[in-house]
Amino acid sequence: EAEVAQSPRYKITEKSQAVAFWCDPISGHATLYWYRQILGQGPELLVQFQDESVVDDSQLPKDRFSAERLKGVDSTLKIQPAELGDSAMYLCASRIAGAYNEQFFGPGTRLTVL
Amino acid sequence: GQSLEQPSEVTAVEGAIVQINCTYQTSGFYGLSWYQQHDGGAPTFLSYNALDGLEETGRFSSFLSRSDSYGYLLLQELQMKDSASYFCAVRDRETGANNLFFGTGTRLTVIP
Repeated sequence: EAEVAQSPRYKITEKSQAVAFWCDPISGHATLYWYRQILGQGPELLVQFQDESVVDDSQLPKDRFSAERLKGVDSTLKIQPAELGDSAMYLCASRIAGAYNEQFFGPGTRLTVL
Repeated sequence: GQSLEQPSEVTAVEGAIVQINCTYQTSGFYGLSWYQQHDGGAPTFLSYNALDGLEETGRFSSFLSRSDSYGYLLLQELQMKDSASYFCAVRDRETGANNLFFGTGTRLTVIP
């Protein structure tokens, strides 16, 4: 069964360092999302891609966060510099065209900033 | 902005039925989705309602009343493996047609 892949699964870093997360969506899924989930809360959208284009990054803290999906397949989310408040689970999700409500999530990257 | 309200925690007995409610405030409502997330796991899609009424998928059913801005997820014949967090999520004019806004989730604990 096809799955969304993410790496690393866990990342511990010190504040002011740079971190990067990678996501490979399900093959054929043109739409890709990055979410941040704080423990005990629901996922919050950071950025949405349609193929290689950013569709919505209104909630992305652009002073420190960046995301790219250069070839419209896999994607990278970067934080530089990391802050203590960035500690969270970072989830990637993808979906097929038209299936707006059914998103397939990856296992996530748990980030701890010390 | 949007708002979603769910109970933070629910406890139910194995074999019983439990209902998880979700009330919402949105602009230009399109639909309500439900996701399940086990501890340490990824959210997985359960169901979606765009129109009033009940949608049934095996032991799980989801209900929507657009006039009351209210929906619920019904889990029947509870099993221990149903212990998880359940999130309702809306799609509306503010999120855009392509995006979901998630609630804070309801943690369901199934006890023997």
